[in-house]
Amino acid sequence: GAVVSQHPSRVICKSGTSVKIECRSLDFQATTMFWYRQFPKQSLMLMATSNEGSKATYEQGVEKDKFLINHASLTLSTLTVTSAHPEDSSFYICSARPGQGYTDTQYFGPGTRLTVL
Amino acid sequence: GNSVTQMEGPVTLSEEAFLTINCTYTATGYPSLFWYVQYPGEGLQLLLKATKADDKGSNKGFEATYRKETTSFHLEKGSVQVSDSAVYFCALRLNYGGSQGNLIFGKGTKLSVKP
Repeated sequence: GAVVSQHPSRVICKSGTSVKIECRSLDFQATTMFWYRQFPKQSLMLMATSNEGSKATYEQGVEKDKFLINHASLTLSTLTVTSAHPEDSSFYICSARPGQGYTDTQYFGPGTRLTVL
Repeated sequence: GNSVTQMEGPVTLSEEAFLTINCTYTATGYPSLFWYVQYPGEGLQLLLKATKADDKGSNKGFEATYRKETTSFHLEKGSVQVSDSAVYFCALRLNYGGSQGNLIFGKGTKLSVKP
């Protein structure tokens, strides 16, 4: 089946530094990728939707200058948390969708645990 | 607004017990409904789905029926196994032309099955 990987699986960084998280579709081309954030005992909250070659669409309340998303190829999207602070500590999950249609299945990565000290 | 509410966990059952995880939703229009499962250390996987009222999704012995009158999509399994231990997420997807097709998730329910 379709596989989506994320790297790194967990990262610890100091406050004020930037962290990049990669999301890759390993065996299909992903026209659209989604980035979610999950707090403990909370649901996954959509942060942004990115389509290959165009700017990401951010959900209300998500700072686009803080969470930079790049979807430069059909198999790779990156999320960069800039000037990270302890409140950015969370579990970040990406998903990838092969087709253009909104009814196509999304495939999820295993997530990245970010801890900001 | 659009939202999904599912029962709080954790749920602990003995092997071969009957499982129900409740899920209700609020949505405009006619959403599609999903159950995703997340095994330890893995990404979310689609377990089953239903796209219209009265549809029943089923997979691996799990079932859920799209009930429009009660806005529910409860997950059931007649006899759980230790290998079913995971976190289960109920989700909806809005279906209209301008939608990006993103999913709206419930908080997840952790299921632990004891031998």
